[in-house]
Amino acid sequence: GQSLEQPSEVTAVEGAIVQINCTYQTSGFYGLSWYQQHDGGAPTFLSYNALDGLEETGRFSSFLSRSDSYGYLLLQELQMKDSASYFCAVKPHRGSTLGRLYFGRGTQLTVWP
Amino acid sequence: DSGVTQTPKHLITATGQRVTLRCSPRSGDLSVYWYQQSLDQGLQFLIQYYNGEERAKGNILERFSAQQFPDLHSELNLSSLELGDSALYFCASSEAGASTDTQYFGPGTRLTVL
Repeated sequence: GQSLEQPSEVTAVEGAIVQINCTYQTSGFYGLSWYQQHDGGAPTFLSYNALDGLEETGRFSSFLSRSDSYGYLLLQELQMKDSASYFCAVKPHRGSTLGRLYFGRGTQLTVWP
Repeated sequence: DSGVTQTPKHLITATGQRVTLRCSPRSGDLSVYWYQQSLDQGLQFLIQYYNGEERAKGNILERFSAQQFPDLHSELNLSSLELGDSALYFCASSEAGASTDTQYFGPGTRLTVL
């Protein structure tokens, strides 16, 4: 079966840094994505790692270690608007013609003033 | 706005009924994916179509079916509805050949089965 584990909840204060971890066990692996979802809204793409290392996009960074089947999303300079659910997702197959994603259960981030 | 549209936004129906959810992908995207999101199951992949052909199936019940039409819009048909089918149904699309294969999600259809 496919398994992605991430913490269910994380809390932090404005301006802080938070790291959301994701470990995965899937039958195939081509890349790890992160999506953000505000209450009842559509998931929106944040970042993608296909190779080991750190990818930085503004206040958000994502890391991947393929040998450890592990990745994390790092959110810096937290703002209230960052309060949302964050999902890691594995793309098990190469190419977009077979592009399904396996999602973790999501981490609810609450940012306090 | 992702460019993916879904209708209707909300749907309330009774057990045993049949409903159709509609999705229009972003202009130029050939792949359409359907996901079900419920409180106890998270985001579950249902089915993928690529340029009109079924490419992958996930945990889709036999009571559910989908298709993608020549204009690339897609419909998800849910029949013999049960209370447990109440969920958010998302459609997503992706651009062929993009390095990240980013999926762009529509706003979802919230289905309530009473």
